[in-house]
Amino acid sequence: ETGVTQSPTHLIKTRGQQVTLRCSSQSGHNTVSWYQQALGQGPQFIFQYYREEENGRGNFPPRFSGLQFPNYSSELNVNALELDDSALYLCASSQPGQGSEQYFGPGTRLTVT
Amino acid sequence: EDQVTQSPEALRLQEGESSSLNCSYTVSGLRGLFWYRQDPGKGPEFLFTLYSAGEEKEKERLKATLTKKESFLHITAPKPEDSATYLCAVQAGDTNAGKSTFGDGTTLTVKP
Repeated sequence: ETGVTQSPTHLIKTRGQQVTLRCSSQSGHNTVSWYQQALGQGPQFIFQYYREEENGRGNFPPRFSGLQFPNYSSELNVNALELDDSALYLCASSQPGQGSEQYFGPGTRLTVT
Repeated sequence: EDQVTQSPEALRLQEGESSSLNCSYTVSGLRGLFWYRQDPGKGPEFLFTLYSAGEEKEKERLKATLTKKESFLHITAPKPEDSATYLCAVQAGDTNAGKSTFGDGTTLTVKP
């Protein structure tokens, strides 16, 4: 069974730039969620994708957008980067439906300077 | 709005010294409460799911319990390798499908 993978591991960007983060879901999982985790805090829900459609969104501005592909992999895009976007970005895959546990990837550490 | 509060923020134990971590939650229609373990610089690792008050789950030295307002993660005779941040999360029966609301975690340090 293949676990959740994310790329890249680390990334340094300049304020105002755009970034794309990638995630491959665990084998057999068709739902992908993205979270932002600031240092010392719990993960904050950004959005979830199911069957290539956004299926729920947290309190993040529209410059955070995503995609899901037919093979269930996913991308997180962030435009017009701000210093506060510096965080660990986590991807989690799960079975569809509420009450399903999520399996997380190792994360992408984004630093905005 | 769903809320999860974990306490204490940090806990230092001697090897073999049992203790409990607390997770208090406010949610409209609980669909599931989850415990995760997170090591520094890594993604959270799933431990347990609890669905209804009175439910208990066990795994090695860990036992999770659930009431209508809180959950406890009991650690029996911990070892240094149990050192990590333990996160609690809830999923609610609202329209934002699949959203998990996390607490800020309890960082556990077990000294040999």
